[in-house]
Amino acid sequence: DTEVTQTPKHLVMGMTNKKSLKCEQHMGHRAMYWYKQKAKKPPELMFVYSYEKLSINESVPSRFSPECPNSSLLNLHLHALQPEDSALYLCASSPTLANSYNSPLHFGNGTRLTVT
Amino acid sequence: KQEVTQIPAALSVPEGENLVLNCSFTDSAIYNLQWFRQDPGKGLTSLLLIQSSQREQTSGRLNASLDKSSGRSTLYIAASQPGDSATYLCAVKVIIQGAQKLVFGQGTRLTINP
Repeated sequence: DTEVTQTPKHLVMGMTNKKSLKCEQHMGHRAMYWYKQKAKKPPELMFVYSYEKLSINESVPSRFSPECPNSSLLNLHLHALQPEDSALYLCASSPTLANSYNSPLHFGNGTRLTVT
Repeated sequence: KQEVTQIPAALSVPEGENLVLNCSFTDSAIYNLQWFRQDPGKGLTSLLLIQSSQREQTSGRLNASLDKSSGRSTLYIAASQPGDSATYLCAVKVIIQGAQKLVFGQGTRLTINP
């Protein structure tokens, strides 16, 4: 079982749809992350939030819009996606960015996204 | 630019064997190195984390070593079991442009045959 919960587990959406991915953790972690993982590839960092503020945006297209409404929740809003955006989207958390030097990241099980 | 390489890309061994997975990185300026396990279609499970000042960490049948100066880490799995079949990823934590990031290797797909 994972302490980082992601919903939905699977999502199929058309290129004109708007959908959201959700991530929740109750470990008191103050840093949260979105990663994208294509098949047979390692995860790639998309966004990092620290204390509910966006800390890192890895030049991600604007059709991906992150949101951190509180310290336990992280959303990823999706709009006008392309088929090549189909991937496993992983959420992770860590205590804080400053204190995470020697703390592991905790990953959720991901949302499998298919864009048709 | 930090690059992480894992060898081999895939490994298939009979149950009960001891095995070693390799990870190398190009820049020794790392904060820690973390080994993860990923089952098909699932998220990442942290197995072991080695701080930059440490040489090894152990958890059950797993032992991870770190030689920061040579840019190498190994994950040793003793008495392998079919349930160990998964993809194993190593990742180093670095500072890039003032931010902490994990840089992942491509992974080793491990199959343990009963």
